[in-house]
Amino acid sequence: DIQMTQSPSSLSASVGDRVTITCQASRDISNYLNWYQQKPGKAPKLLISYASNLETGVPSRFSGSGSGTDFTLTITSLQPEDIATYYCQHYDNLPMYTFGQGTKLEIK
Amino acid sequence: QVQLQESGPGLVKPSQTLSLTCTVSGGSISSGIYYWSWIRQPAGKGLEWIGRLFTSGSTNYNPSLKRRVTMSVDSSRNQFSLKLSSVTAADTAVYYCARGDYGEYYFDYWGQGTLVTVSS
Repeated sequence: DIQMTQSPSSLSASVGDRVTITCQASRDISNYLNWYQQKPGKAPKLLISYASNLETGVPSRFSGSGSGTDFTLTITSLQPEDIATYYCQHYDNLPMYTFGQGTKLEIK
Repeated sequence: QVQLQESGPGLVKPSQTLSLTCTVSGGSISSGIYYWSWIRQPAGKGLEWIGRLFTSGSTNYNPSLKRRVTMSVDSSRNQFSLKLSSVTAADTAVYYCARGDYGEYYFDYWGQGTLVTVSS
C-alpha cells in the first residue's frame, strides 16, 4: 500500500503569511495527488486535483505543485477564512483511495 | 447543482449492522459517468475511504473493511446505501457520501456527513 505523509501536522501562521504544506508519497505516484480543505463541522472540499489543477471557484492564492513523491500546497497570503484542516489524497489501482493524516492550520 | 444527503440511525449497538443511505439530488445517479463512495472520519481524526459503487452494480471496498461492507444502489430513488456489519466502538465516526467522476481520482461533491455512534 502507498502511504501518504503530511507535514506539519499543525501550523500556526499570521494573516498575510505564505503557508506551505507538504505531502510525501511512499513511492512514485506521478501527479495523482489531490488536496482538500475541511473546515470545522463541514465536509471536505476539493481544492486541487492532479497536483496542480486549481478547481473552479478556488481562490488563486491557493496553488499546488510536485510530482513523483513530493508535493506541496501553498497559500500565498493567508486569509482568516483559510483556517481549516488540509488533506492530501491519492488513488491507486487496487483500487484504494488514501488520505494523508491532515494538517491543521490556525491563525497566530 | 448536485447535492448529496446522508440519512440513517445515529446510534447502533455493538455487533449490529450500521445502515446508511445517501440521497442524490440535482442529477441522476444512473448517468453512468460517476461513481459513488462512502468515506468516514472518527472524531478528531483523518479520513478513511470505505468503498465505491458504480451504477452498474460493480463495487470496490477498502481491504481493511471488505469482509464487513456492502454497498448497493437504488436508481429508482436516486439513492445508494452502505451496510457495515458487526460494528464496534471503533466504527464510531462521521460518515460521508461522495461522488467521483469516472476516470478521475478525486471526490468533487460530498454530503454534509452524519454521525454514527456505536454504543450499547
